[in-house]
Amino acid sequence: GENVEQHPSTLSVQEGDSAVIKCTYSDSASNYFPWYKQELGKRPQLIIDIRSNVGEKKDQRIAVTLNKTAKHFSLHITETQPEDSAVYFCAASRWDSNYQLIWGAGTKLIIKP
Amino acid sequence: EAQVTQNPRYLITVTGKKLTVTCSQNMNHEYMSWYRQDPGLGLRQIYYSMNVEVTDKGDVPEGYKVSRKEKRNFPLILESPSPNQTSLYFCASSLASTSHYEQYFGPGTRLTVT
Repeated sequence: GENVEQHPSTLSVQEGDSAVIKCTYSDSASNYFPWYKQELGKRPQLIIDIRSNVGEKKDQRIAVTLNKTAKHFSLHITETQPEDSAVYFCAASRWDSNYQLIWGAGTKLIIKP
Repeated sequence: EAQVTQNPRYLITVTGKKLTVTCSQNMNHEYMSWYRQDPGLGLRQIYYSMNVEVTDKGDVPEGYKVSRKEKRNFPLILESPSPNQTSLYFCASSLASTSHYEQYFGPGTRLTVT
């Protein structure tokens, strides 16, 4: 079955710098890759997603890239701000598995002032 | 307001005492799911439901039961809770089970079993 590995488990960056979180997946048939953000004590919320027919998607300061050949996708956050501090989860799913999301273990992003 | 609600938000109980965590959504979503979140393990799916009267096991279903008698409700039942079920539980729903849609999470239920 599908397996999603997420790295690093903790990432500390200076405010204003960029942050990159990477996920690798095992099932080449996976075709949907969302990213969720969970602030401390809050629920996870979708921040961006990408489907396998595109290689990159941007939304203001966040972007996701997908490399289907290498089976990895990454979240890029530019000009980081204190409110970006949170745990970020990646996930993957395929259309013929009841759209079940297989989740990465999460990355704790710390923005240093 | 579109939302997913869970009750209770916090629960401390003893081993073996049956409990139910309720989950309700007001968005007419077909798909509902239960996850548990433990440090370092991310989100692990317990059970999911693709529609009324249709439920299926996720990755960690042992010790849990669910039912989906109405579209809006998806309760999680622990018949005989044990300390290893101490965790943070999230209910989630999404629009359809036939495509990829955003999952909306409830606020979470922190369960402690002593």
